Amino acid sequence: DIVMTQSPDSLAVSLGERATINCKSSQSVLYSSRNKNYLTWYQQKPGQPPRLLIYWASTRESGVPDRFSGSGSGTDFTLTISSLQAEDVAVYYCQQFYTTPITFGQGTRLEIK
Amino acid sequence: QVQLQESGPGLVKPSQTLSLTCTVSGTSVSSGSFFWSWVRQPAGRALEWIGDIHTSGSTTYNPSLKSRVTITVDTSKNQLSLNLNSVTAADTAIYYCARGWRVLPGQPAWFDPWGQGTQVAVSS
Repeated sequence: DIVMTQSPDSLAVSLGERATINCKSSQSVLYSSRNKNYLTWYQQKPGQPPRLLIYWASTRESGVPDRFSGSGSGTDFTLTISSLQAEDVAVYYCQQFYTTPITFGQGTRLEIK
Repeated sequence: QVQLQESGPGLVKPSQTLSLTCTVSGTSVSSGSFFWSWVRQPAGRALEWIGDIHTSGSTTYNPSLKSRVTITVDTSKNQLSLNLNSVTAADTAIYYCARGWRVLPGQPAWFDPWGQGTQVAVSS
């Protein structure tokens, strides 16, 4: 199985500041022939199901604010929130779909400082 | 707008079978090329993919659960179902159904949308 490891486990950032969440996979999730990274990011607010934010590591889902961006390739990925808003308080998960079983990171809890 | 809603008993006894249903609205479970999936989340822990059924009827399961899991679709009711047998306390979790998007053969890529989830506790 591909193990997804996120860092940090929790993060406190001031409103308006940048938040950065990292995700590392135990093997590359880059499909070379398609030049695509098989990685997704989700946001989960308390009492709600996960919400799809980003797929292909860097493509924002429709309706997701442009302050959210994804980057990285191979085994190392980053989710960045450029200017933290109060409504961004949530747990964020990365997920690989390079191979089955599909696996998720352990989550990063984002709070307001 | 596609919506999913899970339902089922909130309490199951150890060694028994956990049975959940997901009712889909806004689309047909037999149309398009999608995967209808189950994902679970133990309290305070990460999400775990359980498995899925493609609109073609083929199923894929997480090897860690494969011997105990069955996922089926009832097209007449536009529902998918999850059966997990021989449950233990380790199966206590919130269970979500979700639509999996197909970009690769044989497995979903990402999941969207998700149901609200249903809490299942395994206890005597």
